[in-house]
Amino acid sequence: EDQVTQSPEALRLQEGESSSLNCSYTVSGLRGLFWYRQDPGKGPEFLFTLYSAGEEKEKERLKATLTKKESFLHITAPKPEDSATYLCAVQAASSGGSNYKLTFGKGTLLTVNP
Amino acid sequence: EAGVAQSPRYKIIEKRQSVAFWCNPISGHATLYWYQQILGQGPKLLIQFQNNGVVDDSQLPKDRFSAERLKGVDSTLKIQPAKLEDSAVYLCASSSNRGRGGEKLFFGSGTQLSVL
Repeated sequence: EDQVTQSPEALRLQEGESSSLNCSYTVSGLRGLFWYRQDPGKGPEFLFTLYSAGEEKEKERLKATLTKKESFLHITAPKPEDSATYLCAVQAASSGGSNYKLTFGKGTLLTVNP
Repeated sequence: EAGVAQSPRYKIIEKRQSVAFWCNPISGHATLYWYQQILGQGPKLLIQFQNNGVVDDSQLPKDRFSAERLKGVDSTLKIQPAKLEDSAVYLCASSSNRGRGGEKLFFGSGTQLSVL
């Protein structure tokens, strides 16, 4: 069974204080690892997809990296508007055929104080 | 491009009552998903449709939950009868899935259900 574990559960930063969120996963053949951002009262919003170990992607203050066992979401000089829950999810090749479901972790609640 | 539409936005019912949620996916997206998100948890897949056929409903509590996707577009998710533990946000998502994998999912804003 695919498993995704995110840490920490919650993280409080001062504006400008860089940090990283962790996502460790167990999956039978990784088709893709996804990062989403979720604001209160809204659905998850897509950030990145990573496909293979060593891959990196960046968007503004966010950078996602991938190894064979985990992914990191690095946040550089965060601003209060980066406050949200960040969700990690895996899509497994073992799902087979046209099954593209995502298995999510519980998320990390990030709060950035001004 | 219009996003995934869901209604209602909020619903409050008493246990043992029935409730239905509606979803309209992004135009042209063949795959539609219903996820359940309990407070403090990540979304959990309930059912996945490819066009109007079910691909995965292994985590759908079939004694009380049902879903359909008529004509491969809109979908409804029904709970009958509801239990207290069904209180959650029900998220609908869609993706184009042109067969390559790694396709991202687009989510609606969800329906927040409270069962009293």
